Amino acid sequence: DIQMTQSPSSVSASVGDRVTITCRASQGIGTWLAWYQQKPGTAPELLIYAASSLQSGVPSRFSGSGSGTDFTLTISSLQPEDFATYYCQQAKSFPFTFGPGTKVDIK
Amino acid sequence: QITLKESGPTLVKPTQTLTLTCTFSGFSLRSSGMGVGWIRQPPGKALEWLALIYWDDDKRYSPSLKSRLTITKDTSKNQVVLTMTNMDPVDTATYHCAHITRGYYEGAFDYWGQGTLVTVSS
Repeated sequence: DIQMTQSPSSVSASVGDRVTITCRASQGIGTWLAWYQQKPGTAPELLIYAASSLQSGVPSRFSGSGSGTDFTLTISSLQPEDFATYYCQQAKSFPFTFGPGTKVDIK
Repeated sequence: QITLKESGPTLVKPTQTLTLTCTFSGFSLRSSGMGVGWIRQPPGKALEWLALIYWDDDKRYSPSLKSRLTITKDTSKNQVVLTMTNMDPVDTATYHCAHITRGYYEGAFDYWGQGTLVTVSS
């Protein structure tokens, strides 16, 4: 199985801050990587697919980059509605695997 | 517009079999590329992928749970059913179904159901 790790596990930030979350795969996955946002009590929502493609309707302050084993999700200017937990997921091979999540909370 | 909704028991006893149904609209599992997956999330923990079925009846399972899982589809009803045998308290989680398209979005789940919380307890 491909193992996914994320760092940091949590980050405290203020509105307007730039936030970067890192996801690492235990082996190369090309760009078969997605990012999701999940707010408490709700289903995950797709933000980024194919490592850097913005899902329709997602604000442009979200961006993704990387390929192979190292990936980043960047929020360029944190908004109040962005406080949530973020997960990466690889789909290069079965079983699909998710990262442990990064919680973004208010400083 | 694609929507998915999970249904099933909220409480099961240890050793029982769980049957969950995902009822969806906005796409058909007769259409090339379409798929539905199941993902669960224990309270306060991370997401875990369980199983996936595609329009051509290609089925994939988490190796760690494969012996306990069965995924099937009923294209006439627009439903996907997941069964999990020998339930244990550690299987307590919110179970989500989600839409996926083979060949697009590089394996991302683009639409999710709200999830259903299943508690395993005697």
